[in-house]
Amino acid sequence: EDKVVQSPLSLVVHEGDTVTLNCSYEVTNFRSLLWYKQEKKAPTFLFMLTSSGIEKKSGRLSSILDKKELFSILNITATQTGDSAVYLCAVNSNAGGTSYGKLTFGQGTILTVHP
Amino acid sequence: DAGVIQSPRHEVTEMGQEVTLRCKPISGHNSLFWYRQTMMRGLELLIYFNNNVPIDDSGMPEDRFSAKMPNASFSTLKIQPSEPRDSAVYFCASSFRSGNSEAFFGQGTRLTVV
Repeated sequence: EDKVVQSPLSLVVHEGDTVTLNCSYEVTNFRSLLWYKQEKKAPTFLFMLTSSGIEKKSGRLSSILDKKELFSILNITATQTGDSAVYLCAVNSNAGGTSYGKLTFGQGTILTVHP
Repeated sequence: DAGVIQSPRHEVTEMGQEVTLRCKPISGHNSLFWYRQTMMRGLELLIYFNNNVPIDDSGMPEDRFSAKMPNASFSTLKIQPSEPRDSAVYFCASSFRSGNSEAFFGQGTRLTVV
């Protein structure tokens, strides 16, 4: 069974701090790893990573994948109160014997940024 | 594009009643996913379709749950009979190529079974 584990489960920081969120996975037929941000409503897409060692960056957020060690990290620098959310990691893997992918999510990291 | 559209946004029903949740994926997307989210279990994949065909329904918790996708622009998730433990937020998501593209989520249906 595919498994995605995130840590920490929750994190409380102050504005300006830098945070690192972790995601490890065990899946069959890995295709990609995705990060989502969920505030009060639906998850919104942040990054998709397919290759090891290539950093994806968007403003203060960045992410990198290690396919050998089966993990990814999401970094947020100079955090702001608007970064408070649940951050979800998901892995896209092939359904066995098919070319169709499915997304398996981790349980999420709840990030709270205080002013 | 309006994005993935789910209805209703909120549903409150009595135990034993049938509940039908609806989803319209983004036009042109060929993969559709149904997820359930609770505090205890996070986001769980229930079932997903590719080109309207169910590919994996191993996440469907019981026979009380069923899902259909009669055409490329519509899917339903039905619970019959509903139970209080089915209370959760149900999300529908779609993607262009299920193999390697991000999934876009609808706003979810918050289901409360009393």
